[in-house]
Amino acid sequence: QKEVEQNSGPLSVPEGAIASLNCTYSDRVSQSFFWYRQYSGKSPELIMSIYSNGDKEDGRFTAQLNKASQYVSLLIRDSQPSDSATYLCAVNGGGGADGLTFGKGTHLIIQP
Amino acid sequence: GAGVSQSPSNKVTEKGKDVELRCDPISGHTALYWYRQRLGQGLEFLIYFQGNSAPDKSGLPSDRFSAERTGESVSTLTIQRTQQEDSAVYLCASSLGGLQGGNTIYFGEGSWLTVV
Repeated sequence: QKEVEQNSGPLSVPEGAIASLNCTYSDRVSQSFFWYRQYSGKSPELIMSIYSNGDKEDGRFTAQLNKASQYVSLLIRDSQPSDSATYLCAVNGGGGADGLTFGKGTHLIIQP
Repeated sequence: GAGVSQSPSNKVTEKGKDVELRCDPISGHTALYWYRQRLGQGLEFLIYFQGNSAPDKSGLPSDRFSAERTGESVSTLTIQRTQQEDSAVYLCASSLGGLQGGNTIYFGEGSWLTVV
């Protein structure tokens, strides 16, 4: 059974600080990794994708991948109250032939 | 269309009734996925369509669940003899091609199903 694990939180971070979200996965052959943001009552929206070891930056977001440790993380710099949401880690290779396996998500709260 | 379109957005049905949920993927997207998300839970994979290949049905929870897709367009998820545990939001997503090719999945707004 391929699994994606996340701390459910809530993770509380003061406004302006760095929020760090972590995810581990069980399937070593996974190749594609994604972070989705989901506001309450809304569908997930793609934040970042990462395919190679190292860091990938996009604005205030940085995704980090370490395939040897089977670990992927998302850093949010200068956290804003609007960043408060559930962040879902997703990994390719688990959900069927070519689907995504999702973690249960981390609930992030940015305190004004 | 501009995004993945799902209907109905909300459905309340009586236990034992059948329901059909519809998904219109982004135009040109060959891959289509159905996921289920129960309240406060993560996303559960249900089924995956890719072009004209046989669908991957490995996530369907029981034989009461089925899905069809016409070519590379509309898909319908059918739940027969609904049970209260079927209450969830059913999310459809599509991607330009397979994820191995570096494509990404885009979600619709979901169909919220309540079985009473």
